[in-house]
Amino acid sequence: DSGVTQTPKHLITATGQRVTLRCSPRSGDLSVYWYQQSLDQGLQFLIQYYNGEERAKGNILERFSAQQFPDLHSELNLSSLELGDSALYFCASSVDPGSYNSPLHFGNGTRLTVT
Amino acid sequence: SQQGEEDPQALSIQEGENATMNCSYKTSINNLQWYRQNSGRGLVHLILIRSNEREKHSGRLRVTLDTSKKSSSLLITASRAADTASYFCATDAGGSRLTFGEGTQLTVNP
Repeated sequence: DSGVTQTPKHLITATGQRVTLRCSPRSGDLSVYWYQQSLDQGLQFLIQYYNGEERAKGNILERFSAQQFPDLHSELNLSSLELGDSALYFCASSVDPGSYNSPLHFGNGTRLTVT
Repeated sequence: SQQGEEDPQALSIQEGENATMNCSYKTSINNLQWYRQNSGRGLVHLILIRSNEREKHSGRLRVTLDTSKKSSSLLITASRAADTASYFCATDAGGSRLTFGEGTQLTVNP
């Protein structure tokens, strides 16, 4: 058990809809990362927050947004969903703000299916 | 595009044999990490090797890093069926992001 909790585990929704994925980081970790894993794109970095502030941005679409709350949990919002957004979405946490001297701890992901 | 590329894409061995996976990357790095992913689950950190280190061991795992060739290898000795998983290398080139390769799918047959 990594200590990172993601909800829900599975999500099935229709094109055009909006969903929110939730992540609680491991106790004591201040950084939260979101990754998207699909068969054709591999594991893609989306965005990172550190102690409530956006720290780094990757291949995140404008239709996607995220935030980290004062209690350090994070939410990833996906809107105007398309079939191609179907993927596994992982949250990971770490102690460091981004120096990567410490490993990432991954949750078990949210499997999003857009129909 | 991915920073790291694993080789081979898939590897099938018998229990008890050693498994070697390779990773090549393109830019200078601060450190390189290896992760394991069981089917449909989250990634689990295995080992981190810094750019000034050449070799690191953890249990049955041995990682080497050659910064001149921009490559790393992960050796799993005396493999077990439970080692069946996908293995990813990930590089930290600075800038707060960890970039993952495409992964090697390892199958250990009992």
